[in-house]
Amino acid sequence: GAGVSQSPSNKVTEKGKDVELRCDPISGHTALYWYRQSLGQGLEFLIYFQGNSAPDKSGLPSDRFSAERTGGSVSTLTIQRTQQEDSAVYLCASSQGRNNEQFFGPGTRLTVL
Amino acid sequence: GQQLNQSPQSMFIQEGEDVSMNCTSSSIFNTWLWYKQDPGEGPVLLIALYKAGELTSNGRLTAQFGITRKDSFLNISASIPSDVGIYFCAGDAGGTSYGKLTFGQGTILTVHP
Repeated sequence: GAGVSQSPSNKVTEKGKDVELRCDPISGHTALYWYRQSLGQGLEFLIYFQGNSAPDKSGLPSDRFSAERTGGSVSTLTIQRTQQEDSAVYLCASSQGRNNEQFFGPGTRLTVL
Repeated sequence: GQQLNQSPQSMFIQEGEDVSMNCTSSSIFNTWLWYKQDPGEGPVLLIALYKAGELTSNGRLTAQFGITRKDSFLNISASIPSDVGIYFCAGDAGGTSYGKLTFGQGTILTVHP
């Protein structure tokens, strides 16, 4: 079956522009997560959606970051007024119910010039 | 916030050798997970551990959930070239932090044929 997919795979943008990153979770998975991975580092939690509950946004680094999940499936992570320090790989993961075995997508590599 | 200390940072071994890496935390986790990440890919789940003292194997991989719930190790036996990659430990503290995995910094494994 299909795994988690993310698009685009690479995004280069200029400082100050807005970007949208998309995640399609595994079909039937009710939980969706976004993480950020800076070069040579581990993953940093950003935001967590579980079913129809309000998302846990506690990991978002600033108010320039936001995410939506439409219809309990696809999610979009938006970064407004991008800064160079936003450059990283943004990874999406999904899991089934309240099972924390998270399955990751390939990530979107964001470069802010 | 919580941090995981993963060691070693890198390992260079000969094919056929056994490998061991570990993670320690200053706080308790309810779940430990081990992931492997290949270049340009998202992390792939190797082993999930749910009980203190639990020892779980997946082929040549063996992982244990420390009795104190503050540490975990991963062993790879009889390494092969395709074991090359970055290995991450991750912990879930549960409660209000459920689903928000905390990751170690990774162990870069190089296997010489």
